Amino acid sequence: EVQLVESGGGLVQPGGSLRLSCAASGFTFGDYWMTWVRQAPGKGLEWVANIKQDESQKFYVDSVKGRFTISRDNANNSLYLQMNSLRVEDTAVYYCVNVFSGHWGQGTLVAVSS
Amino acid sequence: DVVMTQSPLSLPVTLGQAASISCKSSQSLVHSDGDTYLSWFQQRPGLSPRRLIYQVSNRDSGVPDRFSGSGSDTDFTLKISRVEAEDVGVYYCMQGSHWPPYTFGQGTKLEIK
Repeated sequence: EVQLVESGGGLVQPGGSLRLSCAASGFTFGDYWMTWVRQAPGKGLEWVANIKQDESQKFYVDSVKGRFTISRDNANNSLYLQMNSLRVEDTAVYYCVNVFSGHWGQGTLVAVSS
Repeated sequence: DVVMTQSPLSLPVTLGQAASISCKSSQSLVHSDGDTYLSWFQQRPGLSPRRLIYQVSNRDSGVPDRFSGSGSDTDFTLKISRVEAEDVGVYYCMQGSHWPPYTFGQGTKLEIK
Protein backbone atom coordinates (compact mmCIF):
# COMPACT_ATOMS: atom_id res chain seq x y z
CA GLU A 1 0.00 0.00 0.00
CA VAL A 2 1.30 3.41 -0.99
CA GLN A 3 1.76 5.81 1.92
CA LEU A 4 2.92 9.41 1.99
CA VAL A 5 3.27 10.82 5.50
CA GLU A 6 4.08 14.49 5.97
CA SER A 7 5.51 16.05 9.10
CA GLY A 8 7.18 19.24 10.27
CA GLY A 9 4.31 21.70 10.16
CA GLY A 10 3.51 24.09 12.96
CA LEU A 11 3.06 27.69 14.04
CA VAL A 12 5.82 30.09 13.05
CA GLN A 13 6.21 33.85 13.05
CA PRO A 14 6.50 35.83 9.82
CA GLY A 15 10.07 35.70 8.59
CA GLY A 16 10.66 32.34 10.23
CA SER A 17 11.59 28.97 8.77
CA LEU A 18 10.22 25.43 8.74
CA ARG A 19 11.32 22.21 7.11
CA LEU A 20 8.63 19.81 5.97
CA SER A 21 9.31 16.12 5.45
CA CYS A 22 7.43 13.42 3.61
CA ALA A 23 8.11 9.73 4.24
CA ALA A 24 7.16 7.56 1.29
CA SER A 25 6.50 3.83 1.23
CA GLY A 26 4.79 1.22 -0.91
CA PHE A 27 6.37 2.26 -4.20
CA THR A 28 9.82 2.80 -5.71
CA PHE A 29 10.28 6.40 -4.58
CA GLY A 30 13.34 7.05 -6.69
CA ASP A 31 11.45 6.32 -9.91
CA TYR A 32 9.07 9.29 -9.67
CA TRP A 33 8.97 13.04 -9.84
CA MET A 34 7.55 14.29 -6.52
CA THR A 35 5.45 17.35 -5.79
CA TRP A 36 4.29 19.64 -2.98
CA VAL A 37 0.78 21.10 -3.22
CA ARG A 38 -0.76 23.45 -0.66
CA GLN A 39 -4.25 24.48 0.36
CA ALA A 40 -4.91 27.66 2.30
CA PRO A 41 -7.76 27.47 4.85
CA GLY A 42 -11.08 27.27 3.03
CA LYS A 43 -9.40 27.71 -0.36
CA GLY A 44 -8.48 25.61 -3.37
CA LEU A 45 -5.39 23.66 -4.33
CA GLU A 46 -2.13 25.31 -5.40
CA TRP A 47 0.93 23.54 -6.83
CA VAL A 48 4.07 24.64 -4.97
CA ALA A 49 7.09 22.73 -6.27
CA ASN A 50 8.29 19.69 -8.24
CA ILE A 51 11.52 17.71 -8.15
CA LYS A 52 12.88 15.21 -10.65
CA GLN A 53 14.01 11.74 -9.65
CA ASP A 54 17.71 12.66 -9.58
CA GLU A 55 17.19 16.25 -8.30
CA SER A 56 18.53 17.59 -11.62
CA GLN A 57 15.37 19.63 -12.18
CA LYS A 58 13.32 21.59 -9.68
CA PHE A 59 10.43 23.95 -10.32
CA TYR A 60 8.59 26.38 -8.07
CA VAL A 61 5.49 28.53 -8.15
CA ASP A 62 6.53 32.17 -8.55
CA SER A 63 5.33 33.17 -5.08
CA VAL A 64 7.85 30.89 -3.31
CA LYS A 65 10.87 31.21 -5.61
CA GLY A 66 13.97 32.19 -3.67
CA ARG A 67 12.33 31.30 -0.34
CA PHE A 68 11.45 27.59 -0.60
CA THR A 69 13.74 24.71 -1.56
CA ILE A 70 12.54 21.25 -2.53
CA SER A 71 14.88 18.30 -2.07
CA ARG A 72 14.78 14.53 -1.70
CA ASP A 73 16.72 11.58 -0.30
CA ASN A 74 16.04 8.52 -2.44
CA ALA A 75 18.03 6.24 -0.14
CA ASN A 76 15.61 7.07 2.66
CA ASN A 77 12.47 7.49 0.53
CA SER A 78 12.00 11.04 1.73
CA LEU A 79 10.90 14.35 0.24
CA TYR A 80 11.57 17.70 1.86
CA LEU A 81 10.50 21.33 1.61
CA GLN A 82 12.69 23.93 3.29
CA MET A 83 10.63 27.06 3.79
CA ASN A 84 12.41 30.31 4.68
CA SER A 85 11.21 33.91 5.03
CA LEU A 86 7.70 32.65 5.67
CA ARG A 87 4.79 34.99 5.09
CA VAL A 88 1.25 35.04 6.46
CA GLU A 89 0.03 34.06 2.98
CA ASP A 90 2.04 30.82 3.16
CA THR A 91 -0.42 29.55 5.79
CA ALA A 92 -1.84 26.31 4.40
CA VAL A 93 -1.98 22.56 4.61
CA TYR A 94 0.96 21.22 2.62
CA TYR A 95 0.53 17.92 0.80
CA CYS A 96 3.20 15.58 -0.54
CA VAL A 97 1.99 14.19 -3.88
CA ASN A 98 3.01 11.61 -6.43
CA VAL A 99 1.25 13.20 -9.41
CA PHE A 100 1.92 10.25 -11.71
CA SER A 101 0.31 7.64 -9.43
CA GLY A 102 -2.25 10.07 -7.99
CA HIS A 103 -1.34 9.46 -4.35
CA TRP A 104 -1.52 12.25 -1.72
CA GLY A 105 -0.40 12.40 1.86
CA GLN A 106 -2.65 13.48 4.72
CA GLY A 107 -1.07 16.92 4.80
CA THR A 108 0.71 19.00 7.44
CA LEU A 109 -0.52 22.42 8.57
CA VAL A 110 1.78 25.40 8.41
CA ALA A 111 0.47 28.49 10.20
CA VAL A 112 2.37 31.76 9.85
CA SER A 113 1.23 34.34 12.37
CA SER A 114 2.58 36.82 14.87
CA ASP B 1 0.08 29.56 -17.34
CA VAL B 2 -2.94 27.44 -18.24
CA VAL B 3 -6.09 28.68 -16.51
CA MET B 4 -8.64 26.04 -15.52
CA THR B 5 -12.23 27.21 -15.12
CA GLN B 6 -14.83 24.98 -13.47
CA SER B 7 -18.59 25.32 -13.45
CA PRO B 8 -20.75 25.32 -11.54
CA LEU B 9 -18.93 26.24 -8.34
CA SER B 10 -21.83 24.95 -6.25
CA LEU B 11 -23.82 21.86 -7.17
CA PRO B 12 -26.84 20.80 -5.09
CA VAL B 13 -27.99 17.35 -6.15
CA THR B 14 -30.77 15.00 -5.09
CA LEU B 15 -29.65 11.56 -3.99
CA GLY B 16 -29.82 9.12 -6.87
CA GLN B 17 -29.79 11.86 -9.50
CA ALA B 18 -27.00 12.54 -11.96
CA ALA B 19 -24.46 15.34 -11.62
CA SER B 20 -22.09 16.95 -14.08
CA ILE B 21 -19.12 19.29 -13.61
CA SER B 22 -17.46 21.19 -16.44
CA CYS B 23 -13.79 22.13 -16.64
CA LYS B 24 -12.45 24.37 -19.39
CA SER B 25 -8.81 25.16 -20.03
CA SER B 26 -7.40 28.37 -21.51
CA GLN B 27 -5.44 26.38 -24.10
CA SER B 28 -5.48 22.91 -25.56
CA LEU B 29 -4.37 20.21 -23.10
CA VAL B 30 -3.08 17.91 -25.81
CA HIS B 31 0.55 17.26 -24.87
CA SER B 32 3.32 16.99 -27.46
CA ASP B 33 3.31 13.23 -26.81
CA GLY B 34 -0.31 13.04 -27.97
CA ASP B 35 -1.83 12.36 -24.57
CA THR B 36 -4.05 14.74 -22.61
CA TYR B 37 -3.17 15.13 -18.94
CA LEU B 38 -6.41 16.16 -17.32
CA SER B 39 -7.26 14.70 -13.93
CA TRP B 40 -10.20 14.94 -11.54
CA PHE B 41 -9.93 14.89 -7.75
CA GLN B 42 -12.49 14.49 -4.99
CA GLN B 43 -11.90 16.08 -1.59
CA ARG B 44 -14.31 14.92 1.08
CA PRO B 45 -14.72 17.19 4.13
CA GLY B 46 -11.63 17.10 6.32
CA LEU B 47 -9.72 14.73 4.06
CA SER B 48 -6.93 14.90 1.50
CA PRO B 49 -7.78 15.02 -2.19
CA ARG B 50 -8.24 11.66 -3.89
CA ARG B 51 -7.70 11.21 -7.60
CA LEU B 52 -10.72 9.78 -9.40
CA ILE B 53 -9.84 10.14 -13.07
CA TYR B 54 -6.56 10.55 -14.97
CA GLN B 55 -5.85 11.33 -18.62
CA VAL B 56 -9.43 12.54 -19.16
CA SER B 57 -11.32 9.27 -18.81
CA ASN B 58 -9.34 6.62 -16.91
CA ARG B 59 -10.76 5.70 -13.52
CA ASP B 60 -8.33 5.10 -10.69
CA SER B 61 -8.38 1.78 -8.85
CA GLY B 62 -11.29 1.53 -6.42
CA VAL B 63 -13.26 4.40 -7.93
CA PRO B 64 -16.93 3.45 -8.43
CA ASP B 65 -18.02 3.18 -12.04
CA ARG B 66 -20.71 5.80 -11.47
CA PHE B 67 -17.85 8.31 -11.95
CA SER B 68 -16.82 8.99 -15.54
CA GLY B 69 -14.68 11.54 -17.30
CA SER B 70 -14.88 12.78 -20.86
CA GLY B 71 -13.81 15.59 -23.12
CA SER B 72 -10.99 16.75 -25.31
CA ASP B 73 -8.82 19.73 -26.24
CA THR B 74 -10.12 22.45 -23.87
CA ASP B 75 -13.47 21.11 -22.65
CA PHE B 76 -13.81 18.37 -20.06
CA THR B 77 -16.59 16.90 -17.94
CA LEU B 78 -16.88 14.78 -14.82
CA LYS B 79 -20.16 12.93 -14.50
CA ILE B 80 -21.62 11.09 -11.55
CA SER B 81 -24.43 8.88 -12.78
CA ARG B 82 -26.28 8.43 -9.48
CA VAL B 83 -25.13 10.61 -6.59
CA GLU B 84 -24.71 8.95 -3.21
CA ALA B 85 -24.28 10.58 0.21
CA GLU B 86 -20.56 9.71 0.26
CA ASP B 87 -20.00 11.84 -2.87
CA VAL B 88 -20.40 15.08 -0.89
CA GLY B 89 -17.27 17.20 -1.13
CA VAL B 90 -15.31 19.45 -3.44
CA TYR B 91 -14.23 18.32 -6.90
CA TYR B 92 -11.20 19.74 -8.70
CA CYS B 93 -9.84 19.34 -12.19
CA MET B 94 -6.09 19.65 -12.77
CA GLN B 95 -3.99 19.93 -15.90
CA GLY B 96 -0.57 18.31 -16.18
CA SER B 97 0.04 18.84 -19.89
CA HIS B 98 1.78 22.20 -19.69
CA TRP B 99 3.84 22.53 -16.54
CA PRO B 100 5.27 24.17 -14.63
CA PRO B 101 2.96 25.06 -13.10
CA TYR B 102 0.39 22.33 -12.66
CA THR B 103 -2.89 24.24 -12.41
CA PHE B 104 -6.18 23.42 -10.75
CA GLY B 105 -9.74 24.55 -11.25
CA GLN B 106 -11.38 26.58 -8.48
CA GLY B 107 -13.30 23.58 -7.17
CA THR B 108 -16.97 22.58 -7.32
CA LYS B 109 -18.77 21.95 -4.05
CA LEU B 110 -21.26 19.10 -4.34
CA GLU B 111 -23.96 18.93 -1.70
CA ILE B 112 -27.12 16.93 -1.23
CA LYS B 113 -30.40 18.80 -1.59
